Amino acid sequence: NAGVMQNPRHLVRRRGQEARLRCSPMKGHSHVYWYRQLPEEGLKFMVYLQKENIIDESGMPKERFSAEFPKEGPSILRIQQVVRGDSAAYFCASSPTGTQPRETQYFGPGTRLLVL
Amino acid sequence: GDSVTQMEGPVTLSEEAFLTINCTYTATGYPSLFWYVQYPGEGLQLLLKATKADDKGSNKGFEATYRKETTSFHLEKGSVQVSDSAVYFCALRETDSWGKLQFGAGTQVVVTP
Repeated sequence: NAGVMQNPRHLVRRRGQEARLRCSPMKGHSHVYWYRQLPEEGLKFMVYLQKENIIDESGMPKERFSAEFPKEGPSILRIQQVVRGDSAAYFCASSPTGTQPRETQYFGPGTRLLVL
Repeated sequence: GDSVTQMEGPVTLSEEAFLTINCTYTATGYPSLFWYVQYPGEGLQLLLKATKADDKGSNKGFEATYRKETTSFHLEKGSVQVSDSAVYFCALRETDSWGKLQFGAGTQVVVTP
């Protein structure tokens, strides 16, 4: 059973461009979470999604950031018009379907975004 | 709101030394507590967890006991190896939440031969 997969692992964007980060949860998992890790800091929750639904987006910046988890395909975290402050590691985690979402979260390797 | 505070790093140790990383929390209810480990360039891996007071989580020689009276969840290992060099994160899962994790800032541990 493959773990949580994220791609790309590294992404370089210039200011004003768009960044798209992808996350494929573990097989049998339908709860997906995105976290952001700024340099020298811990992870901060951004958004929690189930298939086709955003459950909690209380950690998402109000502008430029969006997330989706379509019926088919990976979850996408999209950052429009990136700025240097968006440079961070973005981690996706997933937990099993058919359980309370309070089950253990399994993390992917992260996407390291660098904005020039 | 709920929060997690852990000791600042880096913590530098010699191989076979005893490791302690302090973690304290503030929470309105009865959270579950976790330690995650992040090796260089990788994602977080769950190291151990405890879901109620006085529970002890253990894995790979690491231990942590959920102390409600001191609101602490300190991580310990009796004899570290070079391969234990990593960043360790203490985290809590809010009681009334669907499962949102609140992380500490992380503690870097460097073990030298």
